[in-house]
Amino acid sequence: AQKITQTQPGMFVQEKEAVTLDCTYDTSDPSYGLFWYKQPSSGEMIFLIYQGSYDQQNATEGRYSLNFQKARKSANLVISASQLGDSAMYFCAMREGLQGSSNTGKLIFGQGTTLQVKP
Amino acid sequence: DAGITQSPRHKVTETGTPVTLRCHQTENHRYMYWYRQDPGHGLRLIHYSYGVKDTDKGEVSDGYSVSRSKTEDFLLTLESATSSQTSVYFCAISESEIMMNTEAFFGQGTRLTVV
Repeated sequence: AQKITQTQPGMFVQEKEAVTLDCTYDTSDPSYGLFWYKQPSSGEMIFLIYQGSYDQQNATEGRYSLNFQKARKSANLVISASQLGDSAMYFCAMREGLQGSSNTGKLIFGQGTTLQVKP
Repeated sequence: DAGITQSPRHKVTETGTPVTLRCHQTENHRYMYWYRQDPGHGLRLIHYSYGVKDTDKGEVSDGYSVSRSKTEDFLLTLESATSSQTSVYFCAISESEIMMNTEAFFGQGTRLTVV
């Protein structure tokens, strides 16, 4: 069954340092996509980065990178040079592939990790 | 910004009454989702839709029903509201029948309180 797990309810990081947010997933589908979203205190959901199961390289978007370890079924988010504005809740999400009858686009999220950046 | 609107944004209702939340999109996206967000649980999928009149249950569907009679609207109904359904509800939309890498876009959320 499709499952996403984020085991860190809360984390602290010093401004300008790097931080890794953990995400593990479970699926039997060979084709899937992994996403990270940011939710600041204002409540909106902001898309950060995407990784496909067949992508050969780890995804990067500015200060965000995704450490994708397929065999371990992990998709950790790395934020480099943390800024005060990075303080937020971060969600990992997964969509299974569009093969055969599973063409439903089902998208599930983990429990989230609250990140606080200290000045 | 993606054209997605949730209504109402806030609602207080009494236990036992039916409640309907509306999600309206102007993007013509195929997939639509309803989630609830509760502290410690993250975002949990209630129901989702992969086309007009095509819907399926998520992980927390008990006590909820949905309908999608046209592409742009996805309605979530709490048939008989209970205090455990007090939550923030998010609607999301997504394109991509072929490409996997299109992200979901979220509405602003609806804060529902059941008293």
